[in-house]
This record gives sequence, C-alpha cells and structure tokens, in this order.
Amino acid sequence: SQKIEQNSEALNIQEGKTATLTCNYTNYSPAYLQWYRQDPGRGPVFLLLIRENEKEKRKERLKVTFDTTLKQSLFHITASQPADSATYLCASRGNQGGKLIFGQGTELSVKP
Amino acid sequence: GAGVSQTPSNKVTEKGKYVELRCDPISGHTALYWYRQSLGQGPEFLIYFQGTGAADDSGLPNDRFFAVRPEGSVSTLKIQRTERGDSAVYLCASSLAGTSGGAYNEQFFGPGTRLTVL
Repeated sequence: SQKIEQNSEALNIQEGKTATLTCNYTNYSPAYLQWYRQDPGRGPVFLLLIRENEKEKRKERLKVTFDTTLKQSLFHITASQPADSATYLCASRGNQGGKLIFGQGTELSVKP
Repeated sequence: GAGVSQTPSNKVTEKGKYVELRCDPISGHTALYWYRQSLGQGPEFLIYFQGTGAADDSGLPNDRFFAVRPEGSVSTLKIQRTERGDSAVYLCASSLAGTSGGAYNEQFFGPGTRLTVL
C-alpha cells in the first residue's frame, strides 16, 4: 500500500542553524508532495508543494527538494528560529483523487 | 474570511454512546475531508466529499462511522456505539477542488475535535 515515512525522532537544533527533515515514499509515484506545519492543539497548515518534475522549490527561509530516484523529499529551514519549533508533516495525494496520505510527522525543536 | 471551523472542540463520551462532530468549511470550497489523528501520528484519511456526495469513503474504519454533507457545505461525522479506540482528534479540511493537482488541492484544516471515549 502507499506509504509515506518521516523520521519519527524529534530533531533538536540550535537557533540559526539549518534544519533538514526527510520524507520517504514507497509503493507509488506521487505527482507532488506537500509539506505542512502543525502546532500543538491546532490543525496542519500548508507550507509548500513540489511537483514531481520540480527538483527544488523555495519560499522565504524554506526549501524543499524532490528526488524521484531516491523516492525522497527533503525539507530545509535555513536560519532557524525558536518560532519554527513545531511538527512538520509530509503528505501526498493518494491514487484515488483528493485524499492526502500523511507521514507521521517530525517534531522540530529550535533552541535559542 | 473565516477559516474552517469545527465544533465541539472537545467531546467526552461514554463507551457505546453516539456522537456527532460538525465541520464548517471555507465558503466556496467544494471539497471537504475528514481525517483522524492519534497522538504522535499524522492525520489518517477517513472520507472525502466533492459537493454533496462522498467521492471516497475508503478510510472509514467500519460501519459505525458515517458522514453527511447534505447541502454541499457543512458536514457532520457521526459515530455510533463509540469505542475507546475511537478516541483521537478528528480533523476536517476543505479545498477549492478535490482531484486537481497543484495549489488547488492545498487543504485548509480546522482546529479539530478532540474525542475522548471513556
């Protein structure tokens, strides 16, 4: 079955460093991947979408890559700030239309 | 305008009871989704509506779960004979269109309803 996996271990980094989160997918070829941010007690918030024919996409301090050979997407936050602390979710559309398949999320903690 | 709203924010019920969870999507969004999220996990798809009809209900775990969207706007997720294993956060999301790719499938999530079955 279609599966998306993220590193379930929390990532702890120092303010100002670059955070890199990994998303791997198996058993299908998604047309795009999405990244969401989720804060405690809130719903996920859309950040970025990258299509399969795009190698890289940027938005302010965020950068996402999509490697269809490795079946992997990397999500980078440069010059990280404590306010970036949250859980980041990778998601892709399932084969049957609009539903999203999510990874389990990676919790990021940025220390001042 | 307003985002996706969900009521109640918290619901505590006893095993065996019936519950209804409500979702009010963003105005004009034709697609509406229900997901369930357990602690430490990502959202898990339950059902997706395109307009009034359920386009994909493959994620509903069993026939105790049912959802409606009679006028193509507000949706209600109904759970009969609740079990302790149903305890989770139930998230609703909406988007402009359900099946197209790109930005139109960006999903806007509500804050969720935390369901606790005792």
